[in-house]
Amino acid sequence: DIQMTQSPSSLSASVGDRVTITCQASQDISNYLNWYQQKPGKAPELLIYYASNLETGVPSRFSGSGSGTDFTLTISSLQPEDIATYYCQQYDNVPWTFGQGTKVGVK
Amino acid sequence: EVQLVQSGAELKKPGESLKISCQGSGYTFSTYYIGWVRQMPGKGLEWMGHLYPGDSEIRYSPSFQGRVTISADKSSSTAFLQWSSLKASDTAMYYCARQSVEMATGAFDIWGQGTMVIVSS
Repeated sequence: DIQMTQSPSSLSASVGDRVTITCQASQDISNYLNWYQQKPGKAPELLIYYASNLETGVPSRFSGSGSGTDFTLTISSLQPEDIATYYCQQYDNVPWTFGQGTKVGVK
Repeated sequence: EVQLVQSGAELKKPGESLKISCQGSGYTFSTYYIGWVRQMPGKGLEWMGHLYPGDSEIRYSPSFQGRVTISADKSSSTAFLQWSSLKASDTAMYYCARQSVEMATGAFDIWGQGTMVIVSS
């Protein structure tokens, strides 16, 4: 199985801060990497697909980059509604696998 | 509106069987994968497996192979996840999610609301 490692596991930032979450795959997955946001008590929602493509309706402060084994999710200006846990997910090889999650809080 | 609607919460005893459902609407059910994702209390997301209704192809994660069965009824646009003998460790939220077959867009873009399964004696 491909292992996905996210860092950090949690972070706390101020409103307006730039936030960066990284995701590393245990082998080359090309661009087959998605990012999801999960708010407490809710189902996950798709933010970014195929490493860098913004899902329709997602605010433009979210962006994704990377290819191969190293990927980044960036929130350019953190908003209070961005409090959530963020997951990366690879779909290069079955079984699809998720990172362990990054919990984002606001100071 | 494209949506997946899951069946309601379940409280079962160890050893009992269970089948939960996920009904799609607003799109052509047979042309997208339906995947199942487990989330144990306070934990992360785990992909269990998926089914392609168009040809009934099914793939399981090795972690879940033999423990669950995935199926679908194309006539009602409904996918199912079932257990023959539940364990306490099956207590979790279970989500279904739609996934495109195209690799350039192959994300889980639509999610069900989740079905909470509690297994307790």
